[in-house]
Amino acid sequence: DGGITQSPKYLFRKEGQNVTLSCEQNLNHDAMYWYRQDPGQGLRLIYYSQIVNDFQKGDIAEGYSVSREKKESFPLTVTSAQKNPTAFYLCASSASADYGYTFGSGTRLTVV
Amino acid sequence: GQQVMQIPQYQHVQEGEDFTTYCNSSTTLSNIQWYKQRPGGHPVFLIQLVKSGEVKKQKRLTFQFGEAKKNSSLHITATQTTDVGTYFCAGHPDYKLSFGAGTTVTVRA
Repeated sequence: DGGITQSPKYLFRKEGQNVTLSCEQNLNHDAMYWYRQDPGQGLRLIYYSQIVNDFQKGDIAEGYSVSREKKESFPLTVTSAQKNPTAFYLCASSASADYGYTFGSGTRLTVV
Repeated sequence: GQQVMQIPQYQHVQEGEDFTTYCNSSTTLSNIQWYKQRPGGHPVFLIQLVKSGEVKKQKRLTFQFGEAKKNSSLHITATQTTDVGTYFCAGHPDYKLSFGAGTTVTVRA
């Protein structure tokens, strides 16, 4: 079955460490997105990519980095510069910007 | 800042009752999408509305897009325990999809 796979489901890191969250899709979607979800704040866009080798900053890109070397993969690195990294991170993809998004099951990152 | 607003933030419903959640944008939207996130889960796409005044139904759920394409509503009839979760609307004021903060629904049996 086609879908988006995020791994790991839970991730614990010490403050000051960089950490990379994986996102893989086999839906043949061109567009991929990273969102951060905090309680009561909905979903906030971190980065998005409309095509391979191209990506754009979202509303809260500071302290994060991404790459899009393959159509299927859009990994997110949470750097030590991110001041409040503990959150639920969701990856999504869509056939184009005007289509509904398919979300992965998310990664819960806790930084201690 | 957030361009798509949802009210109410929380909705406590007696099983069997109806309720409506509302979504408002400060700008005209090209379309409006609705998602449902079950507790502990991830958002799942429900529907997209594109035309002014459009109304779509999915069983007990009725979605409406406003005439000015700046607001939308989701009406659920005869609420069931399976309706528990957070309902998000999302729209395109520009290229990026902007999500509302969601309406979290709990159901009293």
